[in-house]
Amino acid sequence: NAGVTQTPKFRILKIGQSMTLQCTQDMNHNYMYWYRQDPGMGLKLIYYSVGAGITDKGEVPNGYNVSRSTTEDFPLRLELAAPSQTSVYFCASSYTGNQPQHFGDGTRLSIL
Amino acid sequence: GQQVMQIPQYQHVQEGEDFTTYCNSSTTLSNIQWYKQRPGGHPVFLIQLVKSGEVKKQKRLTFQFGEAKKNSSLHITATQTTDVGTYFCAGDLQGAQKLVFGQGTRLTINP
Repeated sequence: NAGVTQTPKFRILKIGQSMTLQCTQDMNHNYMYWYRQDPGMGLKLIYYSVGAGITDKGEVPNGYNVSRSTTEDFPLRLELAAPSQTSVYFCASSYTGNQPQHFGDGTRLSIL
Repeated sequence: GQQVMQIPQYQHVQEGEDFTTYCNSSTTLSNIQWYKQRPGGHPVFLIQLVKSGEVKKQKRLTFQFGEAKKNSSLHITATQTTDVGTYFCAGDLQGAQKLVFGQGTRLTINP
């Protein structure tokens, strides 16, 4: 059972470039989430999804986009990378909105 | 704004000392969860509390949920170096079916 898988693990981008962070889960969870965690800080919710075809903004959605075409996959898109988006990005999933969340290993993203 | 407050933000202890982190909400929580994140790792679910006044133990860790279901605590007895990390609480505010994470308490230990 792989759980939540995130790719890539590390990435360096130049300002203005775009990229997609991939997230897939094999637990048949309905809910999926994207968080960012700046050094020494807590988790900030970017976007979440309660099921395929449904997404909603979290606390810090600006500069990001998501889609949820399948139950398993929840990619996060950065369109115009900015230095302020340098962070560690975690994807998580849960069966319902108040059940325990399972986190991926994270993507460490640097924008220079 | 932040609806689940966690204190302290940082705690440094000598190995063998006890450690406690507190989580407070202004609104009633339908449940509260605790997570641990090791340095360089990802948050890992530890436990969920649902009932008013509930107390659960995992070896040296004791978790409590307040009678009013607005606060919770995690107490570690006789810390060990393996306890190093950041501890997060996460609450479901009034059954909104959405977890809100606290800011976390970062625990460091002097061996």
